[in-house]
Amino acid sequence: EAQVTQNPRYLITVTGKKLTVTCSQNMNHEYMSWYRQDPGLGLRQIYYSMNVEVTDKGDVPEGYKVSRKEKRNFPLILESPSPNQTSLYFCASSSIQGAHYGYTFGSGTRLTVV
Amino acid sequence: QQPVQSPQAVILREGEDAVINCSSSKALYSVHWYRQKHGEAPVFLMILLKGGEQKGHDKISASFNEKKQQSSLYLTASQLSYSGTYFCGTEFRNDMRFGAGTRLTVKP
Repeated sequence: EAQVTQNPRYLITVTGKKLTVTCSQNMNHEYMSWYRQDPGLGLRQIYYSMNVEVTDKGDVPEGYKVSRKEKRNFPLILESPSPNQTSLYFCASSSIQGAHYGYTFGSGTRLTVV
Repeated sequence: QQPVQSPQAVILREGEDAVINCSSSKALYSVHWYRQKHGEAPVFLMILLKGGEQKGHDKISASFNEKKQQSSLYLTASQLSYSGTYFCGTEFRNDMRFGAGTRLTVKP
């Protein structure tokens, strides 16, 4: 089944403790992206990647890192999480930046930083 | 820059129609529409690429104006299953931005 897999689904952590949210897709998509979703603000882009070793900042990249060493994986790293990073996170992928086919989203990761 | 969606929320009775608008200050490469049920991931509905294009399936359709700066999503004879939050996503060069969403509630 074609899908984007995110882990974990839920995560509660403490301020300053490094964490990684994994994202993997099995559709051989070139384009992958991370979004955070907050009430009233919709989906805001954190980082995106056009292909392996090619990443770029979105609207809200502060406090986040990403890497794209393999085509299928695009992990999101929070080196020193803070409470304002409490949010619902989605990973998405598409072929050729969504042209004609749209984005496929993962199931989401609900992160709470205390 | 995020596209602007309106209205922010809509409440309908089954069988009623709704229109959701999405606008940008600059011409776009494409517009996507997604629906998100509570607690779930957004699901792709359709994409419009050409100015003046109209597209649809079942009773959900969308249009993209000639200048490619505005799109509208039309839901006709709404069903309970249409409830959710609808997002437009706009592409400009190598960039995708989503609107803040429109919460649609369909009541029996």
